[in-house]
Amino acid sequence: DQQVKQNSPSLSVQEGRISILNCDYTNSMFDYFLWYKKYPAEGPTFLISISSIKDKNEDGRFTVFLNKSAKHLSLHIVPSQPGDSAVYFCAARTVAGNEKLTFGTGTRLTIIP
Amino acid sequence: EAGVAQSPRYKIIEKRQSVAFWCNPISGHATLYWYQQILGQGPKLLIQFQNNGVVDDSQLPKDRFSAERLKGVDSTLKIQPAKLEDSAVYLCASSFSSGAHNEQFFGPGTRLTVL
Repeated sequence: DQQVKQNSPSLSVQEGRISILNCDYTNSMFDYFLWYKKYPAEGPTFLISISSIKDKNEDGRFTVFLNKSAKHLSLHIVPSQPGDSAVYFCAARTVAGNEKLTFGTGTRLTIIP
Repeated sequence: EAGVAQSPRYKIIEKRQSVAFWCNPISGHATLYWYQQILGQGPKLLIQFQNNGVVDDSQLPKDRFSAERLKGVDSTLKIQPAKLEDSAVYLCASSFSSGAHNEQFFGPGTRLTVL
């Protein structure tokens, strides 16, 4: 049972344009959502997060939007840069989840110079 | 600040052999996690330690996988005997505590290939 879904395995975006990565979830007990970025041969690194009491969180070029009614979140990167090329994982936690993260399958983002 | 260290980085074994992975978390981090990431999937939590106690091992295949965190610092994850489907990247992560929304820091992972 895939509780966190990233339906786009890959995405290509022109440098300077906006990248939008999507994530859907099924577990209504999730209360905190995170995006991780992963380069080849490295572990995932934390990028940005959002609590379920908010609908938007911004950090520089990165903004995460949460639509609880649709059980959907998205990561916007603007402007996209070549260094943003990586695999992006959406992850979620439950209220009493002992920090346990449930990850999506990832989206490979390629920024075209 | 040194990050999470893991070794070896790569391991190739034959099925039915045993293998062990080592993890050294960030200094001062009480919580340690082992994840399994199969190709094309997201990381899946195998076991979580708080100091040297197990918090969650619900997804650890206990018939073949074992993990320990002696003295609440380093940890080892063992597979015995290995199966073909154990081929994956094994990620170790640590966080300062298990309080609300503590960021998890990941190591580079150990890529295991079972032939």
